[in-house]
Amino acid sequence: GDSVTQMEGPVTLSEEAFLTINCTYTATGYPSLFWYVQYPGEGLQLLLKATKADDKGSNKGFEATYRKETTSFHLEKGSVQVSDSAVYFCALRSASGGSYIPTFGRGTSLIVHP
Amino acid sequence: DGGITQSPKYLFRKEGQNVTLSCEQNLNHDAMYWYRQDPGQGLRLIYYSQIVNDFQKGDIAEGYSVSREKKESFPLTVTSAQKNPTAFYLCASSAGQHSNQPQHFGDGTRLSIL
Repeated sequence: GDSVTQMEGPVTLSEEAFLTINCTYTATGYPSLFWYVQYPGEGLQLLLKATKADDKGSNKGFEATYRKETTSFHLEKGSVQVSDSAVYFCALRSASGGSYIPTFGRGTSLIVHP
Repeated sequence: DGGITQSPKYLFRKEGQNVTLSCEQNLNHDAMYWYRQDPGQGLRLIYYSQIVNDFQKGDIAEGYSVSREKKESFPLTVTSAQKNPTAFYLCASSAGQHSNQPQHFGDGTRLSIL
């Protein structure tokens, strides 16, 4: 079945550092890929998405490129802020078995220090 | 503004008691989902519904029940058969079986045992 693997956290950075959170996936067909962010005590919010190979999703300074050849969708940001501290989830949706039930990674906690 | 409303934000359950978590959406979405999130863990799918009057079990449906009598509403009942119900419960919706559509999440209900 489909699966998503994210790097283990927590990732701890100083403000203005470069961020990469790795995400790789296994899926049949051509999945759509998503990054969600969860702030403490809240639900998940869509951060960005990409629906086909070589698409780049971007939002609020975050970027991720759909790499079919490496089955990856790594999240990057050039300069993180304290307010970026949150848990980040990589997810996919595909037509596996005729269903589009989303598959989530386990989440990666990001802590940004001033 | 359109969105998903979960209530209550905090809920306490006594031994042997059933409790119901509310989830309402005004996004006109066909599909709705319930997830359970434990500390430091990812999301686990409890139930989902892709159309009114129909729903399917997810990965951890035992001890839970749902109904989908209206498009806008997808309440989750945590029954006394669920022996470890303490968790953060998230409701989500999406615009149906289209793989490029992201999910929208509520702000969650935190359930604890008295």
